[in-house]
Amino acid sequence: GESVGLHLPTLSVQEGDNSIINCAYSNSASDYFIWYKQESGKGPQFIIDIRSNMDKRQGQRVTVLLNKTVKHLSLQIAATQPGDSAVYFCAENTNDYKLSFGAGTTVTVRA
Amino acid sequence: GAGVSQSPSNKVTEKGKDVELRCDPISGHTALYWYRQSLGQGLEFLIYFQGNSAPDKSGLPSDRFSAERTGGSVSTLTIQRTQQEDSAVYLCASSLNAGGQETQYFGPGTRLLVL
Repeated sequence: GESVGLHLPTLSVQEGDNSIINCAYSNSASDYFIWYKQESGKGPQFIIDIRSNMDKRQGQRVTVLLNKTVKHLSLQIAATQPGDSAVYFCAENTNDYKLSFGAGTTVTVRA
Repeated sequence: GAGVSQSPSNKVTEKGKDVELRCDPISGHTALYWYRQSLGQGLEFLIYFQGNSAPDKSGLPSDRFSAERTGGSVSTLTIQRTQQEDSAVYLCASSLNAGGQETQYFGPGTRLLVL
């Protein structure tokens, strides 16, 4: 399953499939990007980050891709599990301490 | 190890009352941040503390909002004369150091409801 930009704030994906969550960021000066996962009633949990001198970074079951040309960031989750159901936020930073967050994408995993 | 903790987890108050929200950052983290999250929205930066430096209060929405950080550790966010539009989740985060590429770790938040 895949979400596109900020216009599809929800993503429904079959358990076991791969998920792609997209984020369009606004500031071309941003040089650090983070994906957070927020489960209901909890604070955002760090998933993975990437610096602007990279275009891809992999973690455990997650991959972040950065396209600075079109100011686009994506999070890929491999073999999506029920525990992946949450709201996912991208955040950008322009070399100071203020993170700017997107509106979030709600991911629902179907059994 | 222990993460960022916040208290209370939930707070219901009447319009016009003052509230205090507390944040205990991760031990050893020098930077502390407050954010606000309205229902179904992303996070809005409020204030930032770093060591003994003057805090950046540029995100505070009005002069009814203030925050302190005592001894470089615990922080309190105070909202005076609360309004219904103050209802939101208030999130605290900390990072090991200051700077743009430091990972911020969040607490569970305080859910504030102003009636």
